[in-house]
This record gives sequence, structure tokens and C-alpha cells, in this order.
Amino acid sequence: QVQVVQSGAEVKKPGASVMVSCKASGHMSSKYGISWVRQAPGQGLEWMGYISDYNGKIKYAQKLQGRVTMTTDTSTNTAYMELRSLTSDDTAIYFCARYDILTASDTSETWGQGTLVTVSS
Amino acid sequence: DIQMTQSPSTLSASVGDRVTITCRASQSIGSRLAWYQQYPGKAPKLLIYKASSLETGVPSRFSGSESGTEFTLTISSLQPDDFATYYCQQYSDDTWTFGQGTRVE
Repeated sequence: QVQVVQSGAEVKKPGASVMVSCKASGHMSSKYGISWVRQAPGQGLEWMGYISDYNGKIKYAQKLQGRVTMTTDTSTNTAYMELRSLTSDDTAIYFCARYDILTASDTSETWGQGTLVTVSS
Repeated sequence: DIQMTQSPSTLSASVGDRVTITCRASQSIGSRLAWYQQYPGKAPKLLIYKASSLETGVPSRFSGSESGTEFTLTISSLQPDDFATYYCQQYSDDTWTFGQGTRVE
């Protein structure tokens, strides 16, 4: 079983950048992907992007292109999401979800607990 | 990008009721659709993948079906733990999208 723990809450000023981490432990596959999802206060889920090193796939939501970068560090089983040029609209809970590919037809999905990012002057 | 239209936005129901939530995709997504349950402030929980496959450990009162670009989540007999918000998500192309959510109250 895989466990995923995210970094702690952040408070940032408008124009700043934030980096959220997502560290996995437990029985993991070497083939995996990470997606990032955010949820503004009282709003629905918004998909931000996806990264998977094993097949070189990376895709960002169009509205975040140019402001977001997703990376992974396989040596520490940690994924990172950096969001730049923050505005109040970026205030949200940020979730990561890890997809461990177990077989050709079986994937295990594990979510982090979420990280609250508050953007305020 | 593929748009997902989910309805209703809010649903009032009682314990024991049969509940149905619908998502319509703006174009064909095959069976690449998942359903999630979310409690306030918590991470989403996967219920259904590939439109109708029940995730391990999820009660059998949850089921999913599809007809073309219309997808349905059904809870056969609503239980107290089922009062939550539900989202559909398509993963057909490289950009995934969620429906707007349905709050079951």
C-alpha cells in the first residue's frame, strides 16, 4: 500500500511563487504518474496537470501554462508543483494524486491530504 | 478541451433513497470516466473507474453506467455516509476535466 504526504500550509503574497511537495512511501511501482488538482474555497475540483517520468509524459492545464512547473525526484519518491506569479485566485487547497501502474490493466490511486495555499497581501 | 456537464448541482435525498447523478461529455471519451466522492476539506476518493468498474473496497450500492457520451452514477440505497459531493472526471485525452460536482444533502 502506498501513502502520500504533502507539505504544509503556505501563505504567500501576490506575485510570489509557491512550491508544494508530495512524498510517497510504501509499496510503490517504478512506473507511476502524479496529477495535481486544486480546489478554491467553496468551489469544485480543478485539474492542473500530470507528470509521469517513466514515459516522459507531462501535460499542464491550458489556463496555467507558463505559470506552473511539475517535477519529480525519483531518488526521494517526491513530486513537486511550483506555481508562479500568484494572485488571490490561486488561493486553494492543492492535492496531489499518485497513480502506481501495477499491471497493464491495474492502477492504484493514492491521494495526498491536501495543502492549503493562501495568497494575501 | 473536453467539457463535462454534471447534473444536478444539488440533490436532496433521504436515507434509503435511490440516487442518480449524470455527467455528459462534450465529445466521445470512450469509457474513460471516473467518479469521486468528497467530504469538505478532504481529498477526493475514487469510487468508479472506466465508467462502471467499482474501486476495491467501495460498497456495492455504488454503480456506474454509460450510454454514448452520457454517464451515470447510481447509489442504490443512500446511507448516512453518502451525504457528500460527487464529481465525474474524464481522462480520455491529455487534459483531464472534472464535472462541476453534485452535492447530496
